[in-house]
Amino acid sequence: AQKITQTQPGMFVQEKEAVTLDCTYDTSDQSYGLFWYKQPSSGEMIFLIYQGSYDEQNATEGRYSLNFQKARKSANLVISASQLGDSAMYFCAMREMNTGFQKLVFGTGTRLLVSP
Amino acid sequence: GAVVSQHPSWVICKSGTSVKIECRSLDFQATTMFWYRQFPKQSLMLMATSNEGSKATYEQGVEKDKFLINHASLTLSTLTVTSAHPEDSSFYICSARTLGGEQRFSYEQYFGPGTRLTVT
Repeated sequence: AQKITQTQPGMFVQEKEAVTLDCTYDTSDQSYGLFWYKQPSSGEMIFLIYQGSYDEQNATEGRYSLNFQKARKSANLVISASQLGDSAMYFCAMREMNTGFQKLVFGTGTRLLVSP
Repeated sequence: GAVVSQHPSWVICKSGTSVKIECRSLDFQATTMFWYRQFPKQSLMLMATSNEGSKATYEQGVEKDKFLINHASLTLSTLTVTSAHPEDSSFYICSARTLGGEQRFSYEQYFGPGTRLTVT
């Protein structure tokens, strides 16, 4: 079964607008972490934001915020005031704390294109 | 922040030869290292997890005799693609992590810049 689902293969947004990238997850673990990474065309994985399953507040990091809805098992990434440099692939990932090695499992990704 | 390097950044090899990719944690000790493979326009797929000094644990469907992983020290892991074939052409990314008490729930996993392998 898919652990992480990203249903949007591609998203378009105009510069300076906000955009939401969807992510839903599936786990029976009570302790887990949710991550978002950005991958530009260079291939490097850039960490954006983290949300722990026990965190009561939604995580925020600058222009990035995570809309965490635990009951719905969703962890959407919101990018405010989009910039041209935000054009990239975005991956949602989950780490289950009680599984061996606590490995990070990735979704299929969403390609974001920011237009002027 | 913590830095993970990979070498080489890209490599072209002939079919049937072996290629070694190095992953180093430059400013921290990595108790666990992960190797991922990413085909064009696809997600990162975990290949194996290695802990320093012990054998790697491979994901289902990954041939351990073809993808040899050695985590010889707390700062170095290597992935050797043996008898490479064109279908092994891919982007290989390593990731390193250190376990720490209060950091257990933090984002302490760091990625290397990746190695692009092309097998001709």
